[in-house]
Amino acid sequence: EPEVTQTPSHQVTQMGQEVILRCVPISNHLYFYWYRQILGQKVEFLVSFYNNEISEKSEIFDDQFSVERPDGSNFTLKIRSTKLEDSAMYFCASRERVVNQPQHFGDGTRLSIL
Amino acid sequence: GESVGLHLPTLSVQEGDNSIINCAYSNSASDYFIWYKQESGKGPQFIIDIRSNMDKRQGQRVTVLLNKTVKHLSLQIAATQPGDSAVYFCAENSAGSARQLTFGSGTQLTVLP
Repeated sequence: EPEVTQTPSHQVTQMGQEVILRCVPISNHLYFYWYRQILGQKVEFLVSFYNNEISEKSEIFDDQFSVERPDGSNFTLKIRSTKLEDSAMYFCASRERVVNQPQHFGDGTRLSIL
Repeated sequence: GESVGLHLPTLSVQEGDNSIINCAYSNSASDYFIWYKQESGKGPQFIIDIRSNMDKRQGQRVTVLLNKTVKHLSLQIAATQPGDSAVYFCAENSAGSARQLTFGSGTQLTVLP
């Protein structure tokens, strides 16, 4: 069964450094998402991406965040200058174009900011 | 603001019994709901979904019930197995153009031998 894959599984970064999280969505999916989950809390929406542009973003997704689809398969989340509070699990998800289809999630990247 | 929440943070059941996990939502405009299972160290795994024009949907050992009158969603797991131990989240699609998900707080299901 096709799946969303994310790399790395764990990223440790010094505060203030840039970090790039990578995702390969399911190949025939057209909507892409990033979510984060702070330890012990619920999953929170960050940003959605469709047709090579951001379609929705939450208030968490400030100017320090950016997303890109550099080629036909990868979808990346960049945090320009990381803060301690950016420490969380980051999940990528994708879904088909058809409305009311489930989003499928990767296993996440654990981001630890020191 | 609108939110999706869960009634109970933890649930313990005996192996072989049925489990019922509940979820309350507050956005009356929600029209699509999903249950996800999250095992330790993994991402949310799709279990079952339901559209607002339905009140019940069945899958393999799972049933989702939707009561729009009281804005309540439940997940029933039949003959619960040890592999069902996980955190279960309900989620709803937003009205945004990309239909991003709003997640509830999660219920930890523990299956006792």
